Amino acid sequence: NAGVTQTPKFQVLKTGQSMTLQCAQDMNHNSMYWYRQDPGMGLRLIYYSASEGTTDKGEVPNGYNVSRLNKREFSLRLESAAPSQTSVYFCASRDSRLYGYTFGSGTRLTVV
Amino acid sequence: AQKITQTQPGMFVQEKEAVTLDCTYDTSDQSYGLFWYKQPSSGEMIFLIYQGSYDEQNATEGRYSLNFQKARKSANLVISASQLGDSAMYFCAMRDPYSSASKIIFGSGTRLSIRP
Repeated sequence: NAGVTQTPKFQVLKTGQSMTLQCAQDMNHNSMYWYRQDPGMGLRLIYYSASEGTTDKGEVPNGYNVSRLNKREFSLRLESAAPSQTSVYFCASRDSRLYGYTFGSGTRLTVV
Repeated sequence: AQKITQTQPGMFVQEKEAVTLDCTYDTSDQSYGLFWYKQPSSGEMIFLIYQGSYDEQNATEGRYSLNFQKARKSANLVISASQLGDSAMYFCAMRDPYSSASKIIFGSGTRLSIRP
């Protein structure tokens, strides 16, 4: 099925460990985004990429890095995980329509 | 800076009643877009409705309508004839048209619970 695929769906990390969240879309979208959602809150933008080869910081970029590997893939890396990074992470992509945002199903990350 | 405010953390509504979820926004831009998303307990983000700032008519999608009052900077979601399946978190969001990727920002959400 066409859409945004995130892996893994669940992950538990120990403080200080590193990991990469993967996101891939097969809709030929130019723009991609990473958000985090904390309990009872809305989504906050971590990083985004307007096109292949470009990335920009969003509202809460500290502690994260991203890579726009190609047009399809946009990964999010936690170099040294902290309990404050416990959250649900959503990847999204956008087509040319003004409202054409597609979200992945999310990755639930727990840092202990 | 743009900002979305949802002042209702939670609401309870009787099934089949209409419900209005409030959203106000702050922007100095003339061109922008407003969204509503639904997030059920399963966690996915479901697009409901979109309103462009230059659209003269309020957007409608089935049982959903957006009450857009530009002068008041409000974009309330109206759900007619609520159903049990409408129980979910609802997020208002705004598109920044001038960012390189037209990123969107979200409000804190309203949890809607429908009583049978």
